[in-house]
Amino acid sequence: DAMVIQNPRYQVTQFGKPVTLSCSQTLNHNVMYWYQQKSSQAPKLLFHYYDKDFNNEADTPDNFQSRRPNTSFCFLDIRSPGLGDAAMYLCATSIGGRNNQPQHFGDGTRLSIL
Amino acid sequence: AQTVTQSQPEMSVQEAETVTLSCTYDTSESDYYLFWYKQPPSRQMILVIRQEAYKQQNATENRFSVNFQKAAKSFSLKISDSQLGDAAMYFCAYRSRNSGNTPLVFGKGTRLSVIA
Repeated sequence: DAMVIQNPRYQVTQFGKPVTLSCSQTLNHNVMYWYQQKSSQAPKLLFHYYDKDFNNEADTPDNFQSRRPNTSFCFLDIRSPGLGDAAMYLCATSIGGRNNQPQHFGDGTRLSIL
Repeated sequence: AQTVTQSQPEMSVQEAETVTLSCTYDTSESDYYLFWYKQPPSRQMILVIRQEAYKQQNATENRFSVNFQKAAKSFSLKISDSQLGDAAMYFCAYRSRNSGNTPLVFGKGTRLSVIA
């Protein structure tokens, strides 16, 4: 089945130690998103790639960066994680320009900061 | 900017009964899309149902249906014959129909419990 896969499901890192979360997709969607979701809150969009074009949300901290080496993969890099960055990180994909189509989400990576 | 409001942080329903989750939104646009997403505990978020604003007919997907009131900017979700597997966070979301790739605007969610 076509899907969005996030690895790992759970990630523990130390305060200030860089961490990378990964996302891959077999849907061949040209848009990939990263969301941050804190407990019992709505997902908050951090940024997205439309093909190779990177689109950062205005309030996304500089600490968060992303890479998309090809259509299938997208990475979220947190350069110096703080305690406030502990959250669930969701990757999603969609077909660009088809705004009536849903976004497809991965299972998420739960990030803990020690 | 568009906003989405879900005024019920938590709801509960007896198994086999019907429950309605409310959602209102604010927009100056005339054409857009509305979605309900379901997020079970520790599982991925999935689409439940969607509505295109230019369609007057309410969307229906099996036990799930919506009551879309465009003038009132209301988009409630009705779950009939509730099942234990319906227990989850439900998010209402808005998406502009503008050209290009527009973001989803989520409400804060409603946690639904189903009582056996």
